[in-house]
Amino acid sequence: NAGVTQTPKFQVLKTGQSMTLQCAQDMNHNSMYWYRQDPGMGLRLIYYSASEGTTDKGEVPNGYNVSRLNKREFSLRLESAAPSQTSVYFCASKGEARSSYEQYFGPGTRLTVT
Amino acid sequence: AQSVAQPEDQVNVAEGNPLTVKCTYSVSGNPYLFWYVQYPNRGLQFLLKYITGDNLVKGSYGFEAEFNKSQTSFHLKKPSALVSDSALYFCAVREIGTLTFGKGTMLLVSP
Repeated sequence: NAGVTQTPKFQVLKTGQSMTLQCAQDMNHNSMYWYRQDPGMGLRLIYYSASEGTTDKGEVPNGYNVSRLNKREFSLRLESAAPSQTSVYFCASKGEARSSYEQYFGPGTRLTVT
Repeated sequence: AQSVAQPEDQVNVAEGNPLTVKCTYSVSGNPYLFWYVQYPNRGLQFLLKYITGDNLVKGSYGFEAEFNKSQTSFHLKKPSALVSDSALYFCAVREIGTLTFGKGTMLLVSP
C-alpha cells in the first residue's frame, strides 16, 4: 500500500515550457486534490476532484489544468510555465467514510521555473 | 468563507518542556478542525481532528488539541517536547469538499 505517489520529485522548467505532474493513490479514495505550498502562504488549493469525472477550481486555479484520468489518478498540467509557478506541489486524497475527513498527502513535487 | 489563523510564525521550546501551537478559526456552522505536521522535504501527515464530542482530542506522537468554542480556538499541545517534534505544523478547517489551511507554525525544539 503506497498511499499517494507523485512524479516527478523535482523539475526545472524554462518560462513557457509545459509539463504534467502525475499523482496516483491506491486507497480507493473518491476525492483528490492539488495544492501548492509557498513560504509564508501555507497550502493553497489549486483544483480538486470529488469523484471520477468531476473537477472543480480551488483558490488559485489560473495557469493550471487538471485531469481525473480514473479513480486512481489525478494529473496537474502547466501549459505555459511562469516563474510565479515556482513552488512545491502536493497531491492529496480523501476517503468517503462518514467518520473520515482527513486528507492523505503525497511527498510533493518541487518545481522551479526559470 | 471559513478561515484559520496561526498567529505565530515560529515557536521555540526546550526539550522536555510543554509546548503549545496556537490556532483560531472562523466558520459558519459546526467546525471540523484538523492538525497536520510536515517534516522537512516531506508531505503533510495527519495528527488529529475534532469533529464532535470531547473538547480534548488525542492524536499521534503524544499530541493533543483542545477545542474551545467560546474562544474559537483549537490549540495543539504536548506535555513534554522532543527534539524530533521540530517541524512545520498546520491547522486546517473543513469546508465543503476540501480543507482550508493556516499559514503554518514552525516548531523548534532545542536540546
